[in-house]
Amino acid sequence: DAKTTQPPSMDCAEGRAANLPCNHSTISGNEYVYWYRQIHSQGPQYIIHGLKNNETNEMASLIITEDRKSSTLILPHATLRDTAVYYCFHPRNQGGKLIFGQGTELSVKP
Amino acid sequence: DAGVIQSPRHEVTEMGQEVTLRCKPISGHNSLFWYRQTMMRGLELLIYFNNNVPIDDSGMPEDRFSAKMPNASFSTLKIQPSEPRDSAVYFCASSRIYGYTFGSGTRLTVV
Repeated sequence: DAKTTQPPSMDCAEGRAANLPCNHSTISGNEYVYWYRQIHSQGPQYIIHGLKNNETNEMASLIITEDRKSSTLILPHATLRDTAVYYCFHPRNQGGKLIFGQGTELSVKP
Repeated sequence: DAGVIQSPRHEVTEMGQEVTLRCKPISGHNSLFWYRQTMMRGLELLIYFNNNVPIDDSGMPEDRFSAKMPNASFSTLKIQPSEPRDSAVYFCASSRIYGYTFGSGTRLTVV
Protein backbone atom coordinates (compact mmCIF):
# COMPACT_ATOMS: atom_id res chain seq x y z
CA ASP A 1 0.00 0.00 0.00
CA ALA A 2 1.13 3.53 -0.76
CA LYS A 3 2.82 5.07 2.28
CA THR A 4 2.92 8.72 3.31
CA THR A 5 4.60 10.44 6.25
CA GLN A 6 3.11 13.41 8.05
CA PRO A 7 3.95 15.14 11.35
CA PRO A 8 1.53 13.97 14.06
CA SER A 9 0.50 17.44 15.16
CA MET A 10 0.84 21.14 14.39
CA ASP A 11 -0.40 24.39 15.87
CA CYS A 12 -1.38 27.51 13.97
CA ALA A 13 -2.57 30.93 15.07
CA GLU A 14 -5.96 31.98 13.82
CA GLY A 15 -5.69 34.12 10.70
CA ARG A 16 -2.21 32.88 9.85
CA ALA A 17 -1.30 30.44 7.09
CA ALA A 18 -1.14 26.77 8.00
CA ASN A 19 1.42 24.78 6.03
CA LEU A 20 1.01 21.02 6.35
CA PRO A 21 3.76 18.84 4.86
CA CYS A 22 3.53 15.31 3.50
CA ASN A 23 6.26 13.01 2.27
CA HIS A 24 5.26 10.51 -0.41
CA SER A 25 8.58 9.26 -1.70
CA THR A 26 7.08 6.06 -3.18
CA ILE A 27 4.67 7.90 -5.44
CA SER A 28 4.51 6.72 -9.05
CA GLY A 29 4.33 8.97 -12.08
CA ASN A 30 0.61 8.64 -12.67
CA GLU A 31 -0.57 8.74 -9.06
CA TYR A 32 -2.41 11.80 -7.83
CA VAL A 33 -1.86 13.36 -4.41
CA TYR A 34 -5.06 13.82 -2.43
CA TRP A 35 -5.69 15.73 0.78
CA TYR A 36 -8.62 15.12 3.09
CA ARG A 37 -9.49 16.29 6.55
CA GLN A 38 -11.65 14.96 9.34
CA ILE A 39 -13.29 17.32 11.75
CA HIS A 40 -14.16 15.62 15.01
CA SER A 41 -16.89 12.96 14.65
CA GLN A 42 -17.57 13.80 11.01
CA GLY A 43 -16.76 11.86 7.86
CA PRO A 44 -13.51 12.74 6.07
CA GLN A 45 -13.91 15.69 3.74
CA TYR A 46 -12.18 16.22 0.39
CA ILE A 47 -9.91 19.27 0.22
CA ILE A 48 -7.83 19.18 -2.95
CA HIS A 49 -5.85 16.92 -5.26
CA GLY A 50 -3.12 17.31 -7.86
CA LEU A 51 -0.68 15.47 -10.11
CA LYS A 52 2.27 17.71 -10.92
CA ASN A 53 1.25 21.32 -11.00
CA ASN A 54 0.35 23.40 -8.00
CA GLU A 55 -3.38 23.60 -7.43
CA THR A 56 -5.66 26.08 -5.69
CA ASN A 57 -9.32 26.01 -4.85
CA GLU A 58 -11.61 27.84 -2.46
CA MET A 59 -10.38 25.80 0.48
CA ALA A 60 -6.63 25.50 0.06
CA SER A 61 -3.54 25.44 -2.12
CA LEU A 62 -1.45 22.39 -2.90
CA ILE A 63 2.25 22.71 -3.64
CA ILE A 64 3.92 19.60 -5.11
CA THR A 65 7.69 19.45 -5.38
CA GLU A 66 9.23 18.96 -8.80
CA ASP A 67 10.32 15.39 -7.99
CA ARG A 68 6.79 14.77 -6.60
CA LYS A 69 8.16 13.12 -3.48
CA SER A 70 6.53 15.61 -1.15
CA SER A 71 3.77 18.16 -1.03
CA THR A 72 2.47 20.93 1.19
CA LEU A 73 -1.14 21.81 1.86
CA ILE A 74 -1.61 25.50 2.57
CA LEU A 75 -4.61 26.94 4.36
CA PRO A 76 -3.97 30.64 3.69
CA HIS A 77 -5.97 32.13 6.58
CA ALA A 78 -6.67 29.43 9.13
CA THR A 79 -9.81 29.70 11.26
CA LEU A 80 -10.87 27.83 14.36
CA ARG A 81 -13.12 25.68 12.16
CA ASP A 82 -10.02 24.37 10.36
CA THR A 83 -9.05 22.45 13.50
CA ALA A 84 -9.06 18.84 12.26
CA VAL A 85 -6.92 15.86 11.34
CA TYR A 86 -5.44 16.23 7.85
CA TYR A 87 -4.54 13.23 5.69
CA CYS A 88 -2.59 12.98 2.46
CA PHE A 89 -2.77 10.00 0.08
CA HIS A 90 -1.66 8.81 -3.32
CA PRO A 91 -3.90 5.88 -4.26
CA ARG A 92 -2.42 3.48 -6.82
CA ASN A 93 -5.50 3.64 -9.00
CA GLN A 94 -7.97 6.40 -9.54
CA GLY A 95 -10.92 5.35 -7.43
CA GLY A 96 -8.77 2.72 -5.73
CA LYS A 97 -8.59 2.14 -2.02
CA LEU A 98 -7.49 4.84 0.42
CA ILE A 99 -5.44 3.68 3.38
CA PHE A 100 -5.45 6.17 6.22
CA GLY A 101 -2.30 6.85 8.18
CA GLN A 102 -2.27 8.85 11.39
CA GLY A 103 -2.47 12.20 9.62
CA THR A 104 -1.59 15.57 11.12
CA GLU A 105 -3.76 16.93 13.90
CA LEU A 106 -3.94 20.68 13.26
CA SER A 107 -4.98 22.89 16.15
CA VAL A 108 -5.87 26.46 15.23
CA LYS A 109 -5.65 28.68 18.28
CA PRO A 110 -7.15 32.14 18.85
CA ASP B 1 -26.69 15.65 -4.89
CA ALA B 2 -27.51 14.26 -1.44
CA GLY B 3 -24.06 12.79 -0.94
CA VAL B 4 -23.38 9.37 0.51
CA ILE B 5 -26.25 8.40 2.78
CA GLN B 6 -25.74 6.08 5.73
CA SER B 7 -28.32 4.67 8.07
CA PRO B 8 -28.88 4.50 10.91
CA ARG B 9 -26.85 7.40 12.34
CA HIS B 10 -26.72 5.74 15.74
CA GLU B 11 -27.27 2.13 16.74
CA VAL B 12 -27.21 0.64 20.21
CA THR B 13 -27.55 -3.10 20.43
CA GLU B 14 -26.94 -5.92 22.85
CA MET B 15 -24.08 -8.32 22.51
CA GLY B 16 -25.01 -11.28 20.34
CA GLN B 17 -27.54 -9.41 18.23
CA GLU B 18 -27.29 -8.98 14.48
CA VAL B 19 -26.52 -5.47 13.25
CA THR B 20 -26.99 -4.21 9.69
CA LEU B 21 -25.53 -0.92 8.52
CA ARG B 22 -26.70 0.59 5.25
CA CYS B 23 -25.13 2.82 2.64
CA LYS B 24 -26.42 4.55 -0.48
CA PRO B 25 -23.53 5.79 -2.63
CA ILE B 26 -23.60 8.78 -4.92
CA SER B 27 -25.32 7.99 -8.20
CA GLY B 28 -22.77 7.23 -10.91
CA HIS B 29 -19.98 6.32 -8.49
CA ASN B 30 -18.65 2.86 -9.24
CA SER B 31 -16.48 2.21 -6.17
CA LEU B 32 -17.74 1.82 -2.62
CA PHE B 33 -15.73 1.53 0.59
CA TRP B 34 -16.53 0.58 4.18
CA TYR B 35 -14.31 1.92 6.97
CA ARG B 36 -14.31 1.52 10.73
CA GLN B 37 -12.92 4.14 13.12
CA THR B 38 -11.90 3.68 16.73
CA MET B 39 -9.69 5.75 18.99
CA MET B 40 -7.15 2.95 19.24
CA ARG B 41 -6.89 1.95 15.58
CA GLY B 42 -7.93 5.06 13.67
CA LEU B 43 -9.65 4.66 10.29
CA GLU B 44 -9.41 1.13 8.94
CA LEU B 45 -10.53 0.00 5.50
CA LEU B 46 -12.75 -3.06 5.88
CA ILE B 47 -13.76 -3.81 2.29
CA TYR B 48 -14.21 -2.13 -1.03
CA PHE B 49 -16.31 -2.84 -4.10
CA ASN B 50 -15.84 -1.86 -7.71
CA ASN B 51 -18.85 -2.12 -10.03
CA ASN B 52 -20.67 -4.00 -7.23
CA VAL B 53 -17.97 -6.68 -7.01
CA PRO B 54 -15.89 -7.06 -3.81
CA ILE B 55 -12.29 -6.31 -4.73
CA ASP B 56 -10.46 -6.37 -1.41
CA ASP B 57 -11.94 -7.68 1.84
CA SER B 58 -8.64 -8.22 3.62
CA GLY B 59 -9.62 -5.67 6.25
CA MET B 60 -12.72 -7.51 7.37
CA PRO B 61 -11.81 -8.52 10.92
CA GLU B 62 -13.44 -11.95 11.06
CA ASP B 63 -16.27 -14.09 9.78
CA ARG B 64 -18.79 -12.25 11.91
CA PHE B 65 -18.51 -9.39 9.43
CA SER B 66 -20.02 -9.56 5.95
CA ALA B 67 -20.73 -6.96 3.28
CA LYS B 68 -22.88 -7.01 0.19
CA MET B 69 -23.58 -4.72 -2.71
CA PRO B 70 -26.59 -6.14 -4.55
CA ASN B 71 -26.79 -3.17 -6.92
CA ALA B 72 -25.05 0.10 -7.70
CA SER B 73 -27.20 2.12 -5.31
CA PHE B 74 -27.07 0.10 -2.11
CA SER B 75 -24.64 -1.71 0.18
CA THR B 76 -24.89 -3.32 3.60
CA LEU B 77 -22.39 -4.23 6.28
CA LYS B 78 -23.63 -6.90 8.65
CA ILE B 79 -22.21 -8.03 11.97
CA GLN B 80 -23.54 -11.30 13.35
CA PRO B 81 -23.21 -11.85 16.26
CA SER B 82 -22.12 -8.42 17.50
CA GLU B 83 -19.59 -7.99 20.32
CA PRO B 84 -18.70 -5.00 22.51
CA ARG B 85 -15.36 -4.64 20.71
CA ASP B 86 -17.27 -3.89 17.51
CA SER B 87 -18.30 -0.55 18.99
CA ALA B 88 -16.99 2.10 16.60
CA VAL B 89 -18.02 4.60 13.96
CA TYR B 90 -18.51 2.97 10.58
CA PHE B 91 -18.10 5.11 7.47
CA CYS B 92 -19.11 4.39 3.91
CA ALA B 93 -17.50 6.20 0.98
CA SER B 94 -18.00 6.17 -2.76
CA SER B 95 -15.83 7.20 -5.67
CA ARG B 96 -15.96 7.48 -9.41
CA ILE B 97 -12.65 8.55 -10.88
CA TYR B 98 -11.42 11.56 -8.99
CA GLY B 99 -12.22 12.13 -5.37
CA TYR B 100 -13.90 10.15 -2.65
CA THR B 101 -17.04 11.21 -0.81
CA PHE B 102 -17.71 9.97 2.70
CA GLY B 103 -20.98 9.57 4.50
CA SER B 104 -21.65 10.93 7.97
CA GLY B 105 -21.09 7.54 9.56
CA THR B 106 -22.99 5.16 11.82
CA ARG B 107 -22.02 5.18 15.48
CA LEU B 108 -22.43 1.61 16.74
CA THR B 109 -22.48 0.78 20.43
CA VAL B 110 -22.66 -2.85 21.48
CA VAL B 111 -23.46 -3.32 25.16
